[in-house]
Amino acid sequence: GEDVEQSLFLSVREGDSSVINCTYTDSSSTYLYWYKQEPGAGLQLLTYIFSNMDMKQDQRLTVLLNKKDKHLSLRIADTQTGDSAIYFCAERMDSSYKLIFGSGTRLLVRP
Amino acid sequence: EAQVTQNPRYLITVTGKKLTVTCSQNMNHEYMSWYRQDPGLGLRQIYYSMNVEVTDKGDVPEGYKVSRKEKRNFPLILESPSPNQTSLYFCASSVGQGAAQYFGPGTRLTVL
Repeated sequence: GEDVEQSLFLSVREGDSSVINCTYTDSSSTYLYWYKQEPGAGLQLLTYIFSNMDMKQDQRLTVLLNKKDKHLSLRIADTQTGDSAIYFCAERMDSSYKLIFGSGTRLLVRP
Repeated sequence: EAQVTQNPRYLITVTGKKLTVTCSQNMNHEYMSWYRQDPGLGLRQIYYSMNVEVTDKGDVPEGYKVSRKEKRNFPLILESPSPNQTSLYFCASSVGQGAAQYFGPGTRLTVL
């Protein structure tokens, strides 16, 4: 079935790296996305990766994709208190073009 | 500024009283969608629209209606709200189905 799974919570110290993990089910998914949701706000697209890529880097963000294991991760370097938010991964189902979201990982950055 | 707007942002109502949540985008996007967000369940799609006058059910359409008479607007209608529709609702739009979606700020609905 369609399912995207994430761990619920991650706590890191300011300045450390954060790694948020996600597993998905559709091996034919073409695009995988990371969204950020700050308190009281909508979801903001952070980055995405195309399925023929293993890695994508964008400033402090690094996305790693392991297609064999259907595992996606988001690494945030030098994590800041402003990075505290809920992070959602989402896969695009190529069979239906629907976006399937995970339940979100709450990142808490401690000073 | 490119954006998706929703109104109202907060709404408290009673069971059975019809309500409409409006959604508007200024990016000329063809694809629009409504989601509800509930704790521990992530985002679940309610309805989506591929273009004007083209709408289809998402994963949780029961109790909701939508319309797409103009490209920029995609209102969500609850004809007879019930307490299990208490949730945080997001409208989103994109250039096409499956493309990166831009989200509105959310509407927090409470049905008593």
